[in-house]
Amino acid sequence: AQKVTQAQTEISVVEKEDVTLDCVYETRDTTYYLFWYKQPPSGELVFLIRRNSFDEQNEISGRYSWNFQKSTSSFNFTITASQVVDSAVYFCALSHPRVGGSQGNLIFGKGTKLSVKP
Amino acid sequence: SAVISQKPSRDICQRGTSLTIQCQVDSQVTMMFWYRQQPGQSLTLIATANQGSEATYESGFVIDKFPISRPNLTFSTLTVSNMSPEDSSIYLCSVVFLWDAGQETQYFGPGTRLLVL
Repeated sequence: AQKVTQAQTEISVVEKEDVTLDCVYETRDTTYYLFWYKQPPSGELVFLIRRNSFDEQNEISGRYSWNFQKSTSSFNFTITASQVVDSAVYFCALSHPRVGGSQGNLIFGKGTKLSVKP
Repeated sequence: SAVISQKPSRDICQRGTSLTIQCQVDSQVTMMFWYRQQPGQSLTLIATANQGSEATYESGFVIDKFPISRPNLTFSTLTVSNMSPEDSSIYLCSVVFLWDAGQETQYFGPGTRLLVL
């Protein structure tokens, strides 16, 4: 089965707090790709990060960091010193290569709604 | 990244009518997808829009209800036919585009918010 689980439905923090959004995935394939997207109240889906199954190196981009651990099938997302503008729904997603090597469709988790209060 | 536009951005429709949503990309792309996001829910893939051939639909979605066209590598349409209130959703198109160091990723259009009365 191919599945993405985001167990946290909603998280509320106060500005400047650190927050981690959990993502657990299931797949039988050895090659796959993991993603995080942000959906602010405006509704647009904003791409944040992609990770390949063969690249477990963690990623840091400003206040954002991602921890990919194949041993636990997790791809967690941490926001350091959160800000009100970080308030959004965050989706974790999984995809696999199609025949010919191009990327296939995304399988989304249910999303985590993050509210950052001033 | 690609610039993706959708028309209309939102609409309110009467049940039993049909609405065609357009997706335009500013460069040629191989893969295009249509997703649905029901209120408060995650995104679900409707179909893969194939250029020059019939779309590939996911389980639970059929061509009669969601006909799709893809006449070229920069444009696609999704029609929501014979609408009912259950079709009220955000409809998003996405394209696969090169992100970084030759890696592909999916970028999404701004979405079409549909309310069916």
